[in-house]
Amino acid sequence: QLHLQESGPGLMKPSETLSLTCTVSGGSISGSDYYWGWLRQPPGKGLEWIGSISYTATTYFNPSLKSRVSISVDTSKNQFSLQLNSVIAADTAIYYCARHAQMPHEYNFFDPWGQGILVTVSS
Amino acid sequence: SYDLTQPPSVSVSPGQTASVTCSGDKLRNKYVSWYQQRPGQSPVMVIYQDKRRPSGIPERFSGSNSGNTATLTISGTQAVDEADYYCQAWDGITVVFGGGTELTVL
Repeated sequence: QLHLQESGPGLMKPSETLSLTCTVSGGSISGSDYYWGWLRQPPGKGLEWIGSISYTATTYFNPSLKSRVSISVDTSKNQFSLQLNSVIAADTAIYYCARHAQMPHEYNFFDPWGQGILVTVSS
Repeated sequence: SYDLTQPPSVSVSPGQTASVTCSGDKLRNKYVSWYQQRPGQSPVMVIYQDKRRPSGIPERFSGSNSGNTATLTISGTQAVDEADYYCQAWDGITVVFGGGTELTVL
């Protein structure tokens, strides 16, 4: 069974760069038709897609975050990573990684999801 | 940008049918997925491509999409179904989520 696990710092200061890694187990990140995505959820609020990457490093981003986001993949480690530059308090959220199936088709969806990691941005 | 609108809350009695709606312009032309998020847990997909149910999801969960509205229906609602539900679609440029609906079983 596929399992995804986020890792990274839980507390950051404004203007710093957030770096998170998602480790995939129970299946290979390579050689499949899947993309691998990052999403976030501010405390008490709804879900927001950040971006997704294929194992060949093709990326898609949410236009609202594209200028501050980069996503990379390391197939040797079965991991993919998120970098979010110049974080502010509004970036405080639970960050999830998930398998993004059927991208870039219109019928894409996210399944399964990692357990999430709370990242707090505070001075 | 494309918007998906959900009612903030829906209440249902145990054993009854719950309907959670998701509205968007010409939504019938898009594919909708639904996610269940229990308190303190990560989301779980319960419906994809409008009406397909993943393995392991109970049969009481079903989906439809017509006109400007997609609907998640839970038949014979159980207390364990109490959760937030989110719809999701692709607008051709970006993934869009609805604001979420809190389903209360009382």
